[in-house]
Order: sequence, then C-alpha cells, then structure tokens
Amino acid sequence: QKEVEQNSGPLSVPEGAIASLNCTYSDRGSQSFFWYRQYSGKSPELIMSIYSNGDKEDGRFTAQLNKASQYVSLLIRDSQPSDSATYLCAVKAWEYGNKLVFGAGTILRVKS
Amino acid sequence: GAVVSQHPSWVICKSGTSVKIECRSLDFQATTMFWYRQFPKQSLMLMATSNEGSKATYEQGVEKDKFLINHASLTLSTLTVTSAHPEDSSFYICSARDFLAGIGRETQYFGPGTRLLVL
Repeated sequence: QKEVEQNSGPLSVPEGAIASLNCTYSDRGSQSFFWYRQYSGKSPELIMSIYSNGDKEDGRFTAQLNKASQYVSLLIRDSQPSDSATYLCAVKAWEYGNKLVFGAGTILRVKS
Repeated sequence: GAVVSQHPSWVICKSGTSVKIECRSLDFQATTMFWYRQFPKQSLMLMATSNEGSKATYEQGVEKDKFLINHASLTLSTLTVTSAHPEDSSFYICSARDFLAGIGRETQYFGPGTRLLVL
C-alpha cells in the first residue's frame, strides 16, 4: 500500500459544480495534512493545511480530515475553469522522518 | 504569504558543465529546505533535505557527489548539478519550511522551480 493515495483522475466537473478530491494515507501517526495545487509546468502552490479532525474552510475551499478513517478530502465549491490543475495531497508524520509525503495527484478539469 | 524564490528560472547548459541553483526564503527563516525533481507528467521526487549549518540528507538513489547542496544561512540553500548530462534535464523545485509556524504546524512553501536543459 502506498503511503498516500489519490485517484489520478482526471476528474471532470462542470463550471459552478462542487469538485471533491479525496486522499487516503497509511500512517495512523500522521499529524499534518496539506493540499497543494499544481498547474501544468508550474511548481506546487499551497492551498490548505489541516491538522485536526473536522472541516476547515477557506473561501471556496474546504478541507475535511477524518483521522479514524485515515482520509483527507478537499472540496472546491463553485468550480471555475481556472481551478483546472493537478491537486496534490501531502502528509507529514514522524514515521516519514517528518518529511512531506505526496500522493501522485488528481487531475481536475473544470469544463465551461 | 510566505515567498520562496529560485534563481535561475531556466538554464541551458552543455553536457559536462556544472549548474548552480539558488533557493531563498524571502520573508521567513527556513532551517530546513527540500530539493525536488519532477520529470514531465510525473510526481514530485524528493532528492534531498537541506539543513542549515549541517550536511544535507539525500534520498536513496540520489548521488550526493553529483547533486551538491549547501545551506549556508537560514534563508539560502543552493543545489549544484555537477558534470550535468542530458538525463539530468528536469524541473528542479525547492521548498522551504517555515519553522516559526510552530511545532507540528510547520508548512512547506515551494519556489517557482528551475528548468534545466542539458544539451
């Protein structure tokens, strides 16, 4: 089992819809969770960080963390074509040497 | 938000030459920086962890004598690709961790990346 798993997609949603991106992780001791967005040819950009169970909202983005089920998700409301990118889930845990472990990323395509 | 810069943004060099890439944290201190490489349509690959004032820690399979890393200050880390070859052509991205964010809250910010093309 990979340490951090994401569906590679592509996930296609119409403009204005909610995009739901999911990520599961294997280490129960994981402490910090991050979502990065990476446009083609660019470096990753931090969108959200979440550290405790529950929801965290920032504008159109909501991160959800469930440590018991070992998953973290990212919801994008009112999706826009400019949201089309690869979304990377990253997890930090002492077992990983306190380094970020990235999922392979989910490609999101928002169609206008 | 925290800003990480990289220089140069792209470089073309001849095979056998060395290339130095700089990574700077502009508005925060970073005791730890990371160097990644990404080939087209592939995932980020961590190459090494750079700690200020100490030797870098390289990931398995990464040649430390080929990819020299120096982290001389809390805001600057450099990666030197020595004797570059065409297979080293890639997108090199640094990332800096803001250690003042608090224990367990350290966040990594990425630089814009450097595209290296070795002819």
